[in-house]
Amino acid sequence: QSALTQPPSASGSPGQSVTISCTGTSSDVGGYNYVSWYQQHPGKAPKLMIYEVSKRPSGVPDRFSGSKSGNTASLTVSGLQAEDEADYYCSSYAGSNNYVVFGGGTKVTVL
Amino acid sequence: QITLKESGPTLVKPTQTLTLTCTFSGFSLSSSGVGVGWIRQPPGKALEWLALIYYNDDKFYSPSLKSRLTITKDTSKNQVVLTMTNLDPVDTATYYCARRPTRARFDPWGQGTLVTVSS
Repeated sequence: QSALTQPPSASGSPGQSVTISCTGTSSDVGGYNYVSWYQQHPGKAPKLMIYEVSKRPSGVPDRFSGSKSGNTASLTVSGLQAEDEADYYCSSYAGSNNYVVFGGGTKVTVL
Repeated sequence: QITLKESGPTLVKPTQTLTLTCTFSGFSLSSSGVGVGWIRQPPGKALEWLALIYYNDDKFYSPSLKSRLTITKDTSKNQVVLTMTNLDPVDTATYYCARRPTRARFDPWGQGTLVTVSS
C-alpha cells in the first residue's frame, strides 16, 4: 500500500478538465511544499510535470497545474488532449526518516 | 543535456544479490545540492522509492528496505551503484535512477531496466 492516496482512475472528454487528488499526512504532503507530479505513458519512464506543489518545469504545457490544501495536493489538467492519457503519480518529501513517498498512481483516460 | 542510464542483470535468482549501476552525463554529483535516487516499479504497479545519495555522500534509504540496500557513488566515473541483497520474486520490477536536483523532485529519469527474480 502506497504512502500517498490517489484515486485509481479519472477521465474526461477532450477539452475538459480533470483533477487528481493526492492525500497524505502532516508528515509529508501537509508538512512541506515539496509535492511533485509525474506523468508516465505505457512502457516509458516517468516525466516530471509539477514540482514544489505548483511549479512547472520548462517545456510542460500550462494546461498542467498543481495546488495543495492541508494534507491533500491536486493536479489539474485543463483542456484535455489525447496525449494526456497516461498514469500520473504524486510524490512528496517526507522528512529525514521516510524521506520520499509516492502515491499509488491515477490512470487518466481521455474519452 | 542530462541523461541517465541503468545497467545490470536482467535475471537474478532468489536469495542472490543485485547490483545496478546508474551512469549519467550532463551534470556532476559533486555539485552542491545534487543527488541521484533509485525508484522501482513492479509490473503493473506503482512507483516505490528505494534510495538516495547526495553530492556530500549523505545517503537515505526506504525504511522498509533499508536493511537490504546500499547506495554508493563514484564521482569520477559519473556513476551511482545500488546493491540489494537477498532477492525475492516480489523484487521483480523495472528499476529507475533519476537525478535529484533539489529535495523537491526527480528530474530527469533514466529509461529503466527490468529485473526479474526467478529460479
